[in-house]
Amino acid sequence: ETGVTQTPRHLVMGMTNKKSLKCEQHLGHNAMYWYKQSAKKPLELMFVYNFKEQTENNSVPSRFSPECPNSSHLFLHLHTLQPEDSALYLCASSQDPINYGYTFGSGTRLTVV
Amino acid sequence: RKEVEQDPGPFNVPEGATVAFNCTYSNSASQSFFWYRQDCRKEPKLLMSVYSSGNEDGRFTAQLNRASQYISLLIRDSKLSDSATYLCVPPYGNNRLAFGKGNQVVVIP
Repeated sequence: ETGVTQTPRHLVMGMTNKKSLKCEQHLGHNAMYWYKQSAKKPLELMFVYNFKEQTENNSVPSRFSPECPNSSHLFLHLHTLQPEDSALYLCASSQDPINYGYTFGSGTRLTVV
Repeated sequence: RKEVEQDPGPFNVPEGATVAFNCTYSNSASQSFFWYRQDCRKEPKLLMSVYSSGNEDGRFTAQLNRASQYISLLIRDSKLSDSATYLCVPPYGNNRLAFGKGNQVVVIP
């Protein structure tokens, strides 16, 4: 049990669909992150939230829309995705990343068809 | 220069042998570092934190060379279950971490 829960674990969606990824952390952390990991590539930072406020958007296309209703929950809303968006989407949380690192969720493996 | 650079390998290691690999980082002000382990198609998991010159945890030893800005990880008596990608993770920018390609280790029976 990592303390960071992501749902769904697997998702297949068409390019015209709208879906949402969910992340929930029970660790009392105040920062949450979305990362994308394509096959054989490093993790790419997408969004950073601190105390529910978005503090970083790493030039992510608008077809990805994050939402952070409170410090424990983070969503990633998806619409009109492309096949190249197929990847592992990882949520992480942290209280003090410099001293304690991140805790990752299990990820959502997304396939866009 | 990239925030962190690692030779992706793969590093093919006979079972029971010792393997070591390095990563270099660009932020000379970094005070803490992490090694994460990532299994195929899974999330990264924290393996070890490095705050001073190094750290040791069982068969795993991390060493930090601040003058040359590199961190090493050594695995002794390799087990088949050690097969994974090892990510060297320094802090970067505004309170976040930098991830590179990692070092892929394959332990061979």
